[in-house]
This record gives sequence, C-alpha cells and structure tokens, in this order.
Amino acid sequence: QQQVKQSPQSLIVQKGGISIINCAYENTAFDYFPWYQQFPGKGPALLIAIRPDVSEKKEGRFTISFNKSAKQFSLHIMDSQPGDSATYFCAASLTGSASKLTFGTGTRLQVTL
Amino acid sequence: DTAVSQTPKYLVTQMGNDKSIKCEQNLGHDTMYWYKQDSKKFLKIMFSYNNKELIINETVPNRFSPKSPDKAHLNLHINSLELGDSAVYFCASSQEIRVTGNEQYFGPGTRLTVT
Repeated sequence: QQQVKQSPQSLIVQKGGISIINCAYENTAFDYFPWYQQFPGKGPALLIAIRPDVSEKKEGRFTISFNKSAKQFSLHIMDSQPGDSATYFCAASLTGSASKLTFGTGTRLQVTL
Repeated sequence: DTAVSQTPKYLVTQMGNDKSIKCEQNLGHDTMYWYKQDSKKFLKIMFSYNNKELIINETVPNRFSPKSPDKAHLNLHINSLELGDSAVYFCASSQEIRVTGNEQYFGPGTRLTVT
C-alpha cells in the first residue's frame, strides 16, 4: 500500500525555471512532511519540512505548499539551477519518538542550461 | 565532523555469507534507523531504535538483526545473504523536537552487492 504518492517520476526544467513536485498522502494522522534531496552516491539530505498547521513554508528558493483538506503537498524550486539536479523525495511521518518516515517514490529532476 | 557515518561504503559478497554494517552518529540523537533503498530508489524503513530499545521492526526477514550497543551506534548484521538483499542501506538518526518534528539525518549509505 503506497501511503505517499509522488509525481512526476522525472522532470526536466530549464535553468531559471520553476520545478514543481507533488505528493499526496492517505493517512490523516501524519503531521510532519519533509522533503529530501539526494545526489548520486549520497544519502538523502533534509531540504525543508512543514507541519500541517501552516499552508506554506519558504526557505530560500525552496517552498512547500500544503493543502490539508486535499491531503496534498508540493515542493516548488524557484529559479532552478543545474546544481539542483538530483532526486527529490517527499515523506510523511507521525509525531513521536522513533516515528518512521514513509517516503514517496522520488522525482528525478534535471535542470538544463 | 561527520554527523552520521557508516562503514563500509561498499560491500561485495557472495550468497550465503554473513556481513555487518556499522553506523555511528555524533549528533547526540536518541533515535537511530535503518532504511533500505532498492534498485528503483525506493526508500523503506527497516528498523528503528530509541535509547537502545527496538521500536520498529518493519516486516524484515529475521536474517537481519540490528544491534544498538549505545545511543550513538546502530549496527546491522545480515545472515545468509541472498541476491535480493542487494541494495543501498542507509542509517539515519533523529531527535524528536515538538516544534519542528521528526527531523531525520541520513548517513552516506552502504552499497551491498550480493553475487
């Protein structure tokens, strides 16, 4: 059972453009929604995260939009750069010690010159 | 000053062998995890330990046995390795913070290849 669905599977964006990755979750008890960035041969790195009490969170060029009623959240990368080319994972978690992250299937982003 | 470290980075071994992967975190976190990333890059939780106590055991064959000697270390021992165990194994750690949530920090991964 895929509890967190992520789309698209891959994305090609021109330099300077906006990259948008979408996720949908099923478990309404989830209350923590992070995005991870993974470069080839490296571990996932926490990029930005949101709690369901806010609808948007921005950190630099990265913004999470959160729609609690639709059970959806998305990552927007503004002014996309070639260095942003990586695989992005959304995830969801419950509050509480040792809560596991349930990951989406990943989006491979390529930013072209 | 590596936050979460794993050894070895690469592990190539034959079917039937027993191998271990080690993980250490210097973040002072009280919870550690093992995740498996398959060939399609799907990440899935295997185990979590909180203060050396097993909290999550996510339908993993009992050939996999985690051990946490202390809060900063979590090792993964795999018996009788099978071809299907080939994957990248990631260790992670976290410290639950009520305001920010369950921020988990991942190690660099161990690529296991079973031949």
